[in-house]
Amino acid sequence: DGGITQSPKYLFRKEGQNVTLSCEQNLNHDAMYWYRQDPGQGLRLIYYSQIVNDFQKGDIAEGYSVSREKKESFPLTVTSAQKNPTAFYLCASSGWGPPQFEDTQYFGPGTRLTVL
Amino acid sequence: QKEVEQNSGPLSVPEGAIASLNCTYSDRVSQSFFWYRQYSGKSPELIMSIYSNGDKEDGRFTAQLNKASQYVSLLIRDSQPSDSATYLCAGYMDSNYQLIWGAGTKLIIKP
Repeated sequence: DGGITQSPKYLFRKEGQNVTLSCEQNLNHDAMYWYRQDPGQGLRLIYYSQIVNDFQKGDIAEGYSVSREKKESFPLTVTSAQKNPTAFYLCASSGWGPPQFEDTQYFGPGTRLTVL
Repeated sequence: QKEVEQNSGPLSVPEGAIASLNCTYSDRVSQSFFWYRQYSGKSPELIMSIYSNGDKEDGRFTAQLNKASQYVSLLIRDSQPSDSATYLCAGYMDSNYQLIWGAGTKLIIKP
């Protein structure tokens, strides 16, 4: 089955710890994205990557880091610098370039991070 | 003005009625538009896309695009309690191919 997987589904972090969220896709998409969603709120873009070994900051990149060593993988690290990391984290992927009408983003199931 | 705007709701609709969800967009957004459904605690899933003026129907769902007035709508006919969710509207920025998201409208279908 083609799709996007995220792990773990739930993650608990102690204050001061770094944690890494996994995202893998087998859709052969060039672009991958990380979003944060707080309760009752919309999606906020953290980072995105259009190509291997390259990525750009989104609207709320502070306290987060990413890598893109493989096309299929785009892990997100939530660092201790992120003051309020409790949220629902969503990974998505898509094609890249001038969008062809039906091109859009597809989401993984999400990781719910809670700071203890 | 936000690039893509939606009324946050909640929008309450009786079961069996038509639910109408609306989204407006700025001059900097065009191309294709998408409606996603997000159940509580779950990730968004694509339900409709539209890129031409007019209506596009898929089962109980109809997407409507009016480029002159810069709005896109989603109609859900014969609404069911299982349609209760938050509906997200998205469109592409012309300048950088980024998909821009509305904040979502919470829809509640009352039995």
